[in-house]
Amino acid sequence: AQKVTQAQTEISVVEKEDVTLDCVYETRDTTYYLFWYKQPPSGELVFLIRRNSFDEQNEISGRYSWNFQKSTSSFNFTITASQVVDSAVYFCALSAASNYQLIWGAGTKLIIKP
Amino acid sequence: SQTIHQWPATLVQPVGSPLSLECTVEGTSNPNLYWYRQAAGRGLQLLFYSVGIGQISSEVPQNLSASRPQDRQFILSSKKLLLSDSGFYLCAWSPLPRSGSNEQYFGPGTRLTVT
Repeated sequence: AQKVTQAQTEISVVEKEDVTLDCVYETRDTTYYLFWYKQPPSGELVFLIRRNSFDEQNEISGRYSWNFQKSTSSFNFTITASQVVDSAVYFCALSAASNYQLIWGAGTKLIIKP
Repeated sequence: SQTIHQWPATLVQPVGSPLSLECTVEGTSNPNLYWYRQAAGRGLQLLFYSVGIGQISSEVPQNLSASRPQDRQFILSSKKLLLSDSGFYLCAWSPLPRSGSNEQYFGPGTRLTVT
């Protein structure tokens, strides 16, 4: 069975703090993809990143960084120097070769206070 | 570049009335198409997906149905709405799966309130 767990329901930090959103996944497939999406208050889901199971290199994009660790089945997302505009619900998702559907986590609501 | 449109943006309908939500994609051919529902403060629930014209897979039994009359058009319908149908409906598309990759791109959504 495939599963994505985002244990943090809601996180609240003050602007400029660093914050990490956790994502733990389960799959028996050896080939799979992991994703992060952002859902701002407007509602539209925005694709942030895709990572395949054969590439464990961490990725950095501006203030965003992603840490993929197969040993712990985790794909965590860190925002450095958070800003109010980062306030949103963030979803982690999994897609495996055996089933192309996305398996979604429950989402983490991130609140950045000014 | 590809774009995805959904309309209407918001909708208020009485219980028992019909529903039709439309989604169209531009800039790509033969996409996979998806309908999701998101209840207030909740996660995403996949309702339907389609890999081609006239091919619809249902994930959740309910009073909703979907159709794909054209390659880039996906329609969500109901003959009689229930209160529990209220929610945020999102349409998404993805390119044909390549080695398992299936990133999905979402439309702006339709906020449906059933009264």
